Amino acid sequence: DADVTQTPRNRITKTGKRIMLECSQTKGHDRMYWYRQDPGLGLRLIYYSFDVKDINKGEISDGYSVSRQAQAKFSLSLESAIPNQTALYFCATSRPGGSGANVLTFGAGSRLTVL
Amino acid sequence: GDSVTQMEGPVTLSEEAFLTINCTYTATGYPSLFWYVQYPGEGLQLLLKATKADDKGSNKGFEATYRKETTSFHLEKGSVQVSDSAVYFCALGSGNTPLVFGKGTRLSVIA
Repeated sequence: DADVTQTPRNRITKTGKRIMLECSQTKGHDRMYWYRQDPGLGLRLIYYSFDVKDINKGEISDGYSVSRQAQAKFSLSLESAIPNQTALYFCATSRPGGSGANVLTFGAGSRLTVL
Repeated sequence: GDSVTQMEGPVTLSEEAFLTINCTYTATGYPSLFWYVQYPGEGLQLLLKATKADDKGSNKGFEATYRKETTSFHLEKGSVQVSDSAVYFCALGSGNTPLVFGKGTRLSVIA
């Protein structure tokens, strides 16, 4: 099994629908992240969580929400999807602090298309 | 705030050519610097890192040296292979904040 598993891998939905992207990890790491990848824009941080009780907004959190259900699970929700949220979404995890804090393990990505 | 600027692609090279992908950064304090690679259809993975000035990170024939005087962390490889075709991201980590990524540079290597 992959260290970081994202579901679904691909999703096509319509404007206004609620969408949830799920992420689970088997690394035992405390820190988890959601990034969005768009062509020409690189990776942009949506939300991050340093432990189960910690949630922080990233660079582009508007229109998104997250839930940290357990150390291993971090889900991303789009309450009312819009076409410009069409993108590739990545979940990642890392150890807390020290040299390991910025060594991220990424999932394979969830490709979302909003029509 | 902290930021990373890397050369825009795409970059197309013939097999065995020399590769340089430029990366410069702006940061307060003393960041750690990283190169991540994304192979087609996959998530990003760490390629190499350097945690202080003058450190050289290396992996899989790739190298990058942390130059504080020029605020740079350029990625180099002496002889690229078709299997190196991927998107390369420069990234900066500072303090307890999440990584800041550059926009990525797509490399295509042709046989």
